[in-house]
Amino acid sequence: EAGVAQSPRYKIIEKRQSVAFWCNPISGHATLYWYQQILGQGPKLLIQFQNNGVVDDSQLPKDRFSAERLKGVDSTLKIQPAKLEDSAVYLCASRFRGPEQYFGPGTRLTVT
Amino acid sequence: RKEVEQDPGPFNVPEGATVAFNCTYSNSASQSFFWYRQDCRKEPKLLMSVYSSGNEDGRFTAQLNRASQYISLLIRDSKLSDSATYLCVVNNDMRFGAGTRLTVKP
Repeated sequence: EAGVAQSPRYKIIEKRQSVAFWCNPISGHATLYWYQQILGQGPKLLIQFQNNGVVDDSQLPKDRFSAERLKGVDSTLKIQPAKLEDSAVYLCASRFRGPEQYFGPGTRLTVT
Repeated sequence: RKEVEQDPGPFNVPEGATVAFNCTYSNSASQSFFWYRQDCRKEPKLLMSVYSSGNEDGRFTAQLNRASQYISLLIRDSKLSDSATYLCVVNNDMRFGAGTRLTVKP
């Protein structure tokens, strides 16, 4: 079974630029999460989707971050404009019915 | 107070040692608890769920103390391969702790 796919794996941008990350969850997983993990910290939930609907985006900085999952499968997370403090690993995870989340390898973002 | 707090690390233990981590949570209505393992520069992976009655999986034991609002993870007979960061997760809204780093040394 294929795991959660994310791209790109690494991205370096300058502050005030825009960036987008892509996630393809495990087939059949209705729940999809985006997390931000800053070095030395645990993952912080940014947004949770159930199919193509948003369940929780309370910690998403909506002035610069946006996410969508239009067809209830793939998802994109965008940052516009990026700030230095956005440097982190962005993790996508998906879940079927049980409690276990399956994480993708993450996208490591460096903002200079 | 943070929603989920973990023991500060790092924990450096010799092979064969027993080590325990705690994780406290602030929301008394929390219902679901998990321990995840994260290796360096890798994604987190579920280690075990934490049930009200406590549960064991080989050398790993997880316990829940609702009265004091904490969960614990006990690792017996530590192996070099147990070296990782252990993250606790509380509730269905997936609030992660900052993680506790464990290093098992020969």
